Formats: sequence, C-alpha cells, structure tokens
Amino acid sequence: DQQVKQNSPSLSVQEGRISILNCDYTNSMFDYFLWYKKYPAEGPTFLISISSIKDKNEDGRFTVFLNKSAKHLSLHIVPSQPGDSAVYFCAASRSGNNRKLIWGLGTSLAVNP
Amino acid sequence: DAGVIQSPRHEVTEMGQEVTLRCKPISGHNSLFWYRQTMMRGLELLIYFNNNVPIDDSGMPEDRFSAKMPNASFSTLKIQPSEPRDSAVYFCASSPPGQGIREKLFFGSGTQLSVL
Repeated sequence: DQQVKQNSPSLSVQEGRISILNCDYTNSMFDYFLWYKKYPAEGPTFLISISSIKDKNEDGRFTVFLNKSAKHLSLHIVPSQPGDSAVYFCAASRSGNNRKLIWGLGTSLAVNP
Repeated sequence: DAGVIQSPRHEVTEMGQEVTLRCKPISGHNSLFWYRQTMMRGLELLIYFNNNVPIDDSGMPEDRFSAKMPNASFSTLKIQPSEPRDSAVYFCASSPPGQGIREKLFFGSGTQLSVL
C-alpha cells in the first residue's frame, strides 16, 4: 500500500510556463517532505524540502506547498525550462524511531521548447 | 569533487550466481544507504549504516541479501544466490554528519542488475 502517491505518471508543459507536480500521502504522522529530481542513468538529486511546521518553502524557481489537512503537497516550477525535464520523486518521513524516507513512484516531467 | 561511486554500472548474471555491488560514499559522509528501485515498488530502502554500523536492515528482502561496510569508504551489497526477481536498479547514497536518514541524501548513479 503506497503511503506516498504521485498520481500523475507524466506531465508535459511548455517552456516558460508553470509546472505543478502533485503528491498525496496517507500517514498523518509524516512531518518532513522532500522532492528529488532524477535524470536518466543518474541517481536522484535533492531538490527542496519542507517541514510540517511550514506551509511553503521557496528556492529560486522551485516552491513546495504543503496542505496538512488535505495531506497534499505540490512542487511548482516557474518558469519551466527544458533542463527541468526529469523524473520528480516525492518522499516523506516521520519523527521518532522509524524515520526512513517513504518514496512516491515519481512523475516524469517533459518541458517542451 | 567526486560523488558517490558505484560499480559496476551494469551487471548481467544468471540465476543462482552470486552478485556483489560496490559503493564508495562521499568522503566525510558517515551515513550510507542501499536502495532498490523497481517499476512497481519504486525506491525502497534496503539497509543503512551509520559510522559503519548497520542501523536498520528491515528492508533487506531475505537472507539471500547481505551488506557490509568494513570501513568508512567502502560498502558492498551481496546477493547469493541471485534470482530473476532481484532484477532492479540498486542505488547507494550517503549523507554527511548532522543529517539523518530523512534529510538530504547524495545518490550514486546506480547499478542496473539483470538476473536471467
């Protein structure tokens, strides 16, 4: 049973427009969330994170929004660039003894020139 | 600046053979993680080490899998005997002191394992 769900396997946007990648989770104990980006034949690379004490975190073109009541987070990329084309993974964890990351299956983003 | 180095990049073997995957973490990092990625299950944590000591191996699928970290700069993941269902991409990741299991991880490029 997937505790972290990325319901859109793929997304296509035009260069310069906004990309919105979504992630839902089921475990209300999760209190820390991360986004990773993965290019083909490479490992995932850390992109941005957010703690549950916040509802927004911004880093340049990347912003993550957290809606705890809906158990939903989203990653916004503005403006989108062709180099952003990659697979994006959402991951979540909880405090306490079992703190390991639980990963979504990823969303493949294609940014078209 | 070298990242996490994994070898081999690709491994093709026959069912029943022993497979050894290798990882060199980033110098100065004291936590090391082995992950497996499949289409159906995504990224799954197999085992992680802190200061060369295995902390949580609850993700290791069965006794055929074993992992060691003899020193701070080297770790192996061994599958013996291998089975076709072990076919996946295996990633090694490391993280620096002060960052725990759930913070920023630095991944290697992975080993694509195919068991025929």
